[in-house]
Amino acid sequence: QKEVEQDPGPLSVPEGAIVSLNCTYSNSAFQYFMWYRQYSRKGPELLMYTYSSGNKEDGRFTAQVDKSSKYISLFIRDSQPSDSATYLCAMRDTGANSKLTFGKGITLSVRP
Amino acid sequence: DGGITQSPKYLFRKEGQNVTLSCEQNLNHDAMYWYRQDPGQGLRLIYYSQIVNDFQKGDIAEGYSVSREKKESFPLTVTSAQKNPTAFYLCASSNRVIEQFFGPGTRLTVL
Repeated sequence: QKEVEQDPGPLSVPEGAIVSLNCTYSNSAFQYFMWYRQYSRKGPELLMYTYSSGNKEDGRFTAQVDKSSKYISLFIRDSQPSDSATYLCAMRDTGANSKLTFGKGITLSVRP
Repeated sequence: DGGITQSPKYLFRKEGQNVTLSCEQNLNHDAMYWYRQDPGQGLRLIYYSQIVNDFQKGDIAEGYSVSREKKESFPLTVTSAQKNPTAFYLCASSNRVIEQFFGPGTRLTVL
């Protein structure tokens, strides 16, 4: 089993839809959970991060972590065509020199 | 402007050639990373460096080499030993807390 599994996609939704993107993981030492957004032919940029369990909201985006189920989600409300991108989950433990472990990414397309 | 620059944006390599990808950062970050991205594969770590003059192999280091002689620079050489080098290469740096900042990437194609 890979350390981080992400729904493969691609995903296509109409403008205004609520989008749910998910990752599961197997390493119980992971404490930091991140979502990166990557536009075509660009480098990824950090969208949101959470520490341990709980929810975090930033505008139309909500990140949710359920450590008991080893499951994280990113919700996008009122999706816009500008949200069309690849979304990568990433996570790490609390070690000072810890590396990030990435999911494979899911490509989202929001249709006008 | 603070950030990470990668050059060139596109690179073409003939079979058997070594090529070097440049990565420079002015964020004063200690840690730097090289990733490879293939369609459907996500980001795979090639090499990383936590401090000047020190670096470690990542998950797919075979056929690659790096150096870290300056804090700002972390060049990656793709050697002829790399069997399938065509990919999108991303460099990142970090202040060791949470976020890795990525460069714009270099797309390498083997002719």
